[in-house]
Amino acid sequence: AAGVIQSPRHLIKEKRETATLKCYPIPRHDTVYWYQQGPGQDPQFLISFYEKMQSDKGSIPDRFSAQQFSDYHSELNMSSLELGDSALYFCASSLQTPGNTIYFGEGSWLTVV
Amino acid sequence: AQSVAQPEDQVNVAEGNPLTVKCTYSVSGNPYLFWYVQYPNRGLQFLLKYITGDNLVKGSYGFEAEFNKSQTSFHLKKPSALVSDSALYFCAVMGPRDFNKFYFGSGTKLNVKP
Repeated sequence: AAGVIQSPRHLIKEKRETATLKCYPIPRHDTVYWYQQGPGQDPQFLISFYEKMQSDKGSIPDRFSAQQFSDYHSELNMSSLELGDSALYFCASSLQTPGNTIYFGEGSWLTVV
Repeated sequence: AQSVAQPEDQVNVAEGNPLTVKCTYSVSGNPYLFWYVQYPNRGLQFLLKYITGDNLVKGSYGFEAEFNKSQTSFHLKKPSALVSDSALYFCAVMGPRDFNKFYFGSGTKLNVKP
């Protein structure tokens, strides 16, 4: 079965640079979520999209933005990167039905040096 | 507001013994509860969920969880632990009217020793 695809899997950026992460949800899923997981921490919700519109917002810094495109893939743009942005970034997708399972990708490792 | 608590940072179990990973929740209304497992440097894998119905939910890899409304708990269990079960386990809750995001617990590291 198709899963959530994230790219790149790893990237290294310098402080103040910009990074873009991509996410391809499971086909026919209408909702995409982004989470950030710092070392030794639980995943923190950043933002979600339903049918290409932002549906909810969590602890996403103002330096970050995201969008969902017509083909349902999503991109997380991170600017003015800081050392503290180093983390594993997960994308997840689901159908927006109460109680539906949210499926996660393998994550994108961002290291800011 | 929804939240979950996993009171144990780490659980140590001998292979072959039963295991329990604890989770309690706080939700307005009837919750949707989930368990995920994370292996090192990997994504979160869905194990099982409780939506409604039987309080005992069976999931992947022989895991099960019991929903207890009076104790607001959703403990993960397995009758006989395997060394390969060693991983990080997250409990998560989705509110009945807030299905755009999950609230995760802090995670419990399960160590199964041979």
